[in-house]
Amino acid sequence: GQQVMQIPQYQHVQEGEDFTTYCNSSTTLSNIQWYKQRPGGHPVFLIQLVKSGEVKKQKRLTFQFGEAKKNSSLHITATQTTDVGTYFCAGREAAGNKLTFGGGTRVLVKP
Amino acid sequence: KAGVTQTPRYLIKTRGQQVTLSCSPISGHRSVSWYQQTPGQGLQFLFEYFSETQRNKGNFPGRFSGRQFSNSRSEMNVSTLELGDSALYLCASSLTGTGIVIQYFGAGTRLSVL
Repeated sequence: GQQVMQIPQYQHVQEGEDFTTYCNSSTTLSNIQWYKQRPGGHPVFLIQLVKSGEVKKQKRLTFQFGEAKKNSSLHITATQTTDVGTYFCAGREAAGNKLTFGGGTRVLVKP
Repeated sequence: KAGVTQTPRYLIKTRGQQVTLSCSPISGHRSVSWYQQTPGQGLQFLFEYFSETQRNKGNFPGRFSGRQFSNSRSEMNVSTLELGDSALYLCASSLTGTGIVIQYFGAGTRLSVL
C-alpha cells in the first residue's frame, strides 16, 4: 500500500534559524496536505497543494509540491517558539481516496 | 459553528474489555475518518465513513470496527482490548470526502488499557 515518509523525525532548531522538513510518497499523489499538531493538541490543517511544482507561502512557512507529485517540503524561516509542534504531511493517492499521513517531524525550538 | 466533538475524552479499560468511542462531526460534514495515534507509530488510518458506508479501511485487525449514523455521527468499537491498543484515537470530519478535502480533527479520546 501507499507509504508516506517524513524526514527528519526530530528537528532541534535555534530560535531565529531556518529549517526544512521533507515528505516522500511511494505513489503519485493527487494532492498533499500539511497539518500542525501542538503538544497536547490535535492536528490542525495548514495548507493543501494540488498542482505539480506548486509553491505556497504562509508568512514564514513555504510549502512546495514536487514536479512528480510524489514529494513535498515545508520550509520555515526565522523559527519562533510558537513553531513548536509536530508537522505532518498527508498524501491522497491519485488512484484512490485514502489520506495517508507521514510519521511527522517533531520540532523543538531552543530560545 | 461547533467543531468536531469526541466523547469521552479519557478512558481506562482493562485487557479483554471492549470500548465504544463517539464522534460528532461538524454540522453538514458527511465524511468521518478515524485515526490511531501512538508515539511510535504516528497517525495510523483506521477507517473512513461517508453517508453511513465504510469507504476506506486501514490495516487494523477485525477487533476494530465502526459505523456511521444517518446524522453523520460515528462510533468506533474496539473489542477484546489489548495493551497495545492504548493510544489517542482521533476523529476527523470533512465536507464531502472526495477531491479537495480538509479534515477537521476533534480533540481525541485517550484510551489507556491496563
